[in-house]
Amino acid sequence: NAGVTQTPKFRILKIGQSMTLQCTQDMNHNYMYWYRQDPGMGLKLIYYSVGAGITDKGEVPNGYNVSRSTTEDFPLRLELAAPSQTSVYFCASSYRRGGLDGSKETQYFGPGTRLLVL
Amino acid sequence: AQKVTQAQTEISVVEKEDVTLDCVYETRDTTYYLFWYKQPPSGELVFLIRRNSFDEQNEISGRYSWNFQKSTSSFNFTITASQVVDSAVYFCALSEGTSGSARQLTFGSGTQLTVLP
Repeated sequence: NAGVTQTPKFRILKIGQSMTLQCTQDMNHNYMYWYRQDPGMGLKLIYYSVGAGITDKGEVPNGYNVSRSTTEDFPLRLELAAPSQTSVYFCASSYRRGGLDGSKETQYFGPGTRLLVL
Repeated sequence: AQKVTQAQTEISVVEKEDVTLDCVYETRDTTYYLFWYKQPPSGELVFLIRRNSFDEQNEISGRYSWNFQKSTSSFNFTITASQVVDSAVYFCALSEGTSGSARQLTFGSGTQLTVLP
């Protein structure tokens, strides 16, 4: 298993440009997440998905969009890049069985995408 | 609103010393989940543990142990006989709600642990 993969690893964008950060997992996980990590800070949740076709906003969704057409893929779209979106973006996935509190759930993270908006 | 405080910004220890990383949380929910993550210098994030609010049993996993005390709203993490490979930033996080998933996850600012040889 490759686990959670993210592309690209690094990208420089100009203000107003758009791009899609790719995330793929091969573990058949139902939950997937996008976080951003600003320098010296913890992670903040942007969007999450509990299964194909279902997405919801996290703490900091403004300026981003997501889709989940398959179990494996969860791309994050930036439509009009702004300097405030300079960050490291992490995708994660986990498997949660329905009806249980998920106390054994393990979240697997991708290696991250470093984005610089100038 | 939920909040996680990791008061120790940086800690340095010498190899084989024990070290405790503090985590204090605030929440109004009676059902919540606490997490610890490790971020080594390479940048990836490693999930270490998740604990629900109804289970105050301490947990041990090898050299790692966690002490959960609801009375003081703390979820501290101890590394016994630290090793250089333990050098990383460690994050504590809190999730509210009965679902326990990460959608309301709040992270602390992290503690940079440096283990010197």
